Amino acid sequence: KQEVTQIPAALSVPEGENLVLNCSFTDSAIYNLQWFRQDPGKGLTSLLLIQSSQREQTSGRLNASLDKSSGRSTLYIAASQPGDSATYLCAVGNNRLAFGKGNQVVVIP
Amino acid sequence: AAGVIQSPRHLIKEKRETATLKCYPIPRHDTVYWYQQGPGQDPQFLISFYEKMQSDKGSIPDRFSAQQFSDYHSELNMSSLELGDSALYFCASSFRQGRTEAFFGQGTRLTVV
Repeated sequence: KQEVTQIPAALSVPEGENLVLNCSFTDSAIYNLQWFRQDPGKGLTSLLLIQSSQREQTSGRLNASLDKSSGRSTLYIAASQPGDSATYLCAVGNNRLAFGKGNQVVVIP
Repeated sequence: AAGVIQSPRHLIKEKRETATLKCYPIPRHDTVYWYQQGPGQDPQFLISFYEKMQSDKGSIPDRFSAQQFSDYHSELNMSSLELGDSALYFCASSFRQGRTEAFFGQGTRLTVV
């Protein structure tokens, strides 16, 4: 069974600092890895998809890397803003997605 | 761009009642997934359909059933509701069974009283 772990569970940073969120998974036989954002009580917004053959993806201030051999992914958010405050979920899958418990981020103005 | 549409957004039911959740995937997406997210929990996979056939099954109670129709929309039927079924239920869709990006709907918040 795929196990996904996200560290740290929660973090607070001052506005402008870079965010580094870590995700690890136990089974490297995956099609892809996705990072999502979730605001309290809301839906899941897809941020980045990294396919198994890729090493990283970038979208604006977001960059995600994937190291399948070590079962790790890192999401970088540059120059954080208060609007980045949310829970970030890492999910890996072969068809179904297995989610981590999330990184709860607070960006302090 | 069109997104995954779920209805209703909120639903309140009493114990032992039945609920039906609907999902309309992104056009041309051939795969639909259902997830359950309890309070403070991560989403848990329930069931998926590819080209209208069940393709994978997770921790879905026997009281729940689902299907995908000819127009690719999907319905999750939940019977004999229990208090513990109160959760956010998400539908997601993708193309080619998870080989591409999965997009999630806004969810249906089910409250069982």
